[in-house]
Formats: sequence, C-alpha cells, structure tokens
Amino acid sequence: QKEVEQDPGPLSVPEGAIVSLNCTYSNSAFQYFMWYRQYSRKGPELLMYTYSSGNKEDGRFTAQVDKSSKYISLFIRDSQPSDSATYLCAMGKGAQKLVFGQGTRLTINP
Amino acid sequence: DAGVIQSPRHEVTEMGQEVTLRCKPISGHDYLFWYRQTMMRGLELLIYFNNNVPIDDSGMPEDRFSAKMPNASFSTLKIQPSEPRDSAVYFCASSLMGLALDTQYFGPGTRLTVL
Repeated sequence: QKEVEQDPGPLSVPEGAIVSLNCTYSNSAFQYFMWYRQYSRKGPELLMYTYSSGNKEDGRFTAQVDKSSKYISLFIRDSQPSDSATYLCAMGKGAQKLVFGQGTRLTINP
Repeated sequence: DAGVIQSPRHEVTEMGQEVTLRCKPISGHDYLFWYRQTMMRGLELLIYFNNNVPIDDSGMPEDRFSAKMPNASFSTLKIQPSEPRDSAVYFCASSLMGLALDTQYFGPGTRLTVL
C-alpha cells in the first residue's frame, strides 16, 4: 500500500463547476499537508499549505484536512479553464521528506 | 530571482550513454532536491542535500545514479550507463528550510528519453 493515495483521473468538468480533489494517507504522523499545481510541461508549484487539521481558504481554493480519517481535500469554486492542470497532494512530518500523491489531471471545459 | 534553473530541458540519448543533468538552485536556499516523475510512479524523491551535503539518497534507484553538489549554486545528477527505463522528467527543487516545513520551488524539469 502506498503511503499516499490519489486518484490520477483524468477529471473533466464544465467551467464554473465546483471541483473536489482528494487524497488519503496511511501515516498518522503527517503534520503538514500541501497541494501543488503542475501545468503541462512545467514544474509543480505550491498552491495551498495546511498544518494539522482544519480548513484553509485562499480565494476560490479551499483545503481541508481530516486527520481522524486520514483524508485531505482541495475544493475549487467557480472553476476556470486556467485551472486545468495536474494537482498533486503532498504531506510530511517535520524535517522528513515530503511524500507526493500521484497527481490528478484536471480539465475545465469552457 | 530567476527561480530554479535546469539544463538541458530535453535530452535524448542512447542506452549505455552517460547522462548529466544540471541544476542551479535559488540563491540562499539551503536545501536542494532531485525528483523523478513518471506516469506510472508519479513524483519520487531521489536525493536531497542540505548545505551541499547529501542527507538522504535512499530514493536513488541504483548505483548507476549519482548526484553531487560541489557548491551552493550548482548540482548535478548523473546516470551512467543510462537505460530506457530511466526515461522520465527529472526535476530539481530548492527550499529555504527543510522539507515539510517549507515551500519547495521546482525547476522546469529535464525531459530525458533513453532509446
């Protein structure tokens, strides 16, 4: 079993829809949870960063962490074609290395 | 700052040849990471350095892979001899602090094809 599981998709939704992306993990010691966005033929870039449980909102993006269920989510409201990318979850503990999910490929159709 | 710089952006080589990938991290960043990304395995950490010293190379697949960081502004990842299964996109990333504590800034990647 992988430490971090993420459905690779692909996921295709119409413009304006609410998008939900998810990851599950097995290591209960993880404290830091991140979402990276990767455009085609580019390197990943940090989108959201959350410490421990709870929600964090940044514009149209909301990150949720449920440590009791070992489940994290990224919600995108009013999705735009420019949101089309691969979204990778990543998590870690303290000074240990990050573990990345496989990434979910998302397409927003105009 | 120009961000993390990687070269070459694309590399096509034949099986058995030596391949050298290069990375210039963001100035002032103490941590440098080498990742490999494939469709099947996703993004995998190969090795990371702190202040030019290799800290964890447990992700390096085998002895054909080696990495060096001779100074704070330059690192190389070498594959010798290369094999077709090494075909992937190789990313270099850097961060100010360590690992899960800080944002990692990724370069544009080197797309390696081994024929």
